[in-house]
Amino acid sequence: EVQLVESGGGLVKPGGSLRLSCAVSGFTFSAYSMNWVRQAPGKGLEWVSSINTASDYIYYADSVKGRFTISRDNAKNSLYLQMNSLRAEDTAVYYCVRELPGRGTYPFDYWGQGTLVTVSS
Amino acid sequence: DIQMTQSPSSLSASIGDRVTITCRASQGIDNYLAWYQQNPGKVPKLLISAASTLQSGVPSRFSGSGSGTDFTLTISSLQPEDVATYYCQKYNSPPFTFGPGTKLDIK
Repeated sequence: EVQLVESGGGLVKPGGSLRLSCAVSGFTFSAYSMNWVRQAPGKGLEWVSSINTASDYIYYADSVKGRFTISRDNAKNSLYLQMNSLRAEDTAVYYCVRELPGRGTYPFDYWGQGTLVTVSS
Repeated sequence: DIQMTQSPSSLSASIGDRVTITCRASQGIDNYLAWYQQNPGKVPKLLISAASTLQSGVPSRFSGSGSGTDFTLTISSLQPEDVATYYCQKYNSPPFTFGPGTKLDIK
């Protein structure tokens, strides 16, 4: 069974940092591109960042570029999101998301349950 | 960047109705378009990829069509479990932008 379990969310002050983790199981992690998607309370979905299998193609939404860093450890079956200089508008549930396999870009077939990040003083 | 829009933003329909949701890209994206369903309090679920390819396990009452800039998601006969917010997403190249969503409920 495919499982994606996020952790690391919580309450942080504006300007602070958090590191999200996503532990995966049930599939060959190293064979899949991965993404982070967030959803502010009561709002829609916002794609945040993407990383391919070898970590040599990495992309960010403009809203987080320069502040967030995505990474992965294929040996540990884990995906990470380092979030710095956090702002109130970063408050959201952050989902770890698997991309359908293949060469190129694909939509997202498995989603974790999400971890809530709240940025507030 | 390519912008994604959806219409309507919300709609109410009766059980058994045919429902159509539209998604438009500000530039052509071929068929690199996905549809997701997010039931209340749940995580999103991939319904359709490549504009019209139904994912395994998704009921056949769901269908997708379109290419280029204009796409539609159709539910042929609305069921109670279809109450959800529906999102389109472009995935031809980053940013993998989602549409703003269409909230569907039962009349």
